[in-house]
Amino acid sequence: DAGITQSPRYKITETGRQVTLMCHQTWSHSYMFWYRQDLGHGLRLIYYSAAADITDKGEVPDGYVVSRSKTENFPLTLESATRSQTSVYFCASRDPQSLHFGNGTRLTVT
Amino acid sequence: ILNVEQSPQSLHVQEGDSTNFTCSFPSSNFYALHWYRWETAKSPEALFVMTLNGDEKKKGRISATLNTKEGYSYLYIKGSQPEDSATYLCAFINTDKLIFGTGTRLQVFP
Repeated sequence: DAGITQSPRYKITETGRQVTLMCHQTWSHSYMFWYRQDLGHGLRLIYYSAAADITDKGEVPDGYVVSRSKTENFPLTLESATRSQTSVYFCASRDPQSLHFGNGTRLTVT
Repeated sequence: ILNVEQSPQSLHVQEGDSTNFTCSFPSSNFYALHWYRWETAKSPEALFVMTLNGDEKKKGRISATLNTKEGYSYLYIKGSQPEDSATYLCAFINTDKLIFGTGTRLQVFP
């Protein structure tokens, strides 16, 4: 099916572990984004990508790494997870009109 | 740092009431302003994309206006219904980045 999918939907990991959240879109949109949702902060931009092999920092990039080797995939990696990274993570891609969001990944760092 | 502010933070209204929210954004380097509707446990969905000063958009009972010179947009809901209960997000776009406000949480009571 066409669309944007995130995996996993839920993830529990321990402090210090590396974890990767996956994002895949089938539209070939150039722009893709990662946001985290936290109470009182709404959606905050972590990283974004304008095209394959082009990525840039958003508002809260520390502790995260992204890559974009292919247009359709935009994985987000927490290199050494911390409790403050417990959140719901949303991936999105952008067409000329608006953003299309994935269903989110709920990450808990214990 | 791009500052996108929304007010009020939350709103409780009775069914049938009309309501409006405000989104304030930087007036420089404006590219577009988006409005999204975000229901609990779902992903945000696009309502409006506004690009021109003076733009007015309407979708059913919901409408929005845009003033890029002074940096604000209003979202209006006429005759609120319980199914309008959601968080309404605005997002400011300047070239690449799409930065969200913290949202207005609307609850409509029957």
